[in-house]
Amino acid sequence: DSGVTQTPKHLITATGQRVTLRCSPRSGDLSVYWYQQSLDQGLQFLIQYYNGEERAKGNILERFSAQQFPDLHSELNLSSLELGDSALYFCASSLGTGENEQFFGPGTRLTVL
Amino acid sequence: GQNIDQPTEMTATEGAIVQINCTYQTSGFNGLFWYQQHAGEAPTFLSYNVLDGLEEKGRFSSFLSRSKGYSYLLLKELQMKDSASYLCAFLNRDDKIIFGKGTRLHILP
Repeated sequence: DSGVTQTPKHLITATGQRVTLRCSPRSGDLSVYWYQQSLDQGLQFLIQYYNGEERAKGNILERFSAQQFPDLHSELNLSSLELGDSALYFCASSLGTGENEQFFGPGTRLTVL
Repeated sequence: GQNIDQPTEMTATEGAIVQINCTYQTSGFNGLFWYQQHAGEAPTFLSYNVLDGLEEKGRFSSFLSRSKGYSYLLLKELQMKDSASYLCAFLNRDDKIIFGKGTRLHILP
């Protein structure tokens, strides 16, 4: 158990819908990262927040947005969902910024039908 | 541009040694990570190299050559539980982490 929690574990929805994925980092960690993992693309970095502020941005689509709240939990919002958005979404946390070891949550499996 | 490359699959025998290579290209480089990911599970951290050379951690060692854009993960005394995907990733100067697609390692008894 990494100490990072993600909800929900599974999510099934339809094209065009909007969903919110939630992540609680390990106690004391200030950074939260979001990743998308699909079979053909591997693990893709989406975005990082550090202490409530956006720190680094990866291949995140405009339909996706995220935020980190004052209690350091984070949410990833996915809208206008497409079939290709079906993937495993991981959240990770670390004490500081990029060079620190990241602890991954169990992931949310999103299926878009 | 930025890219990172590692073999898709490898097979090794229990008790043996295996080396998983990773090459990368980027204009700005801070360090290189290795993560292990068992099927259906989350990645777990193995190592982070910033300086050139070999870092040993138990049965696992990681090597980095910044000038060659090259790293490898060395696994010794292989055990069946080492069957997993091994993900190479570099951290660039903008604090973005770029992962390779992973190497699936199969261990045969």
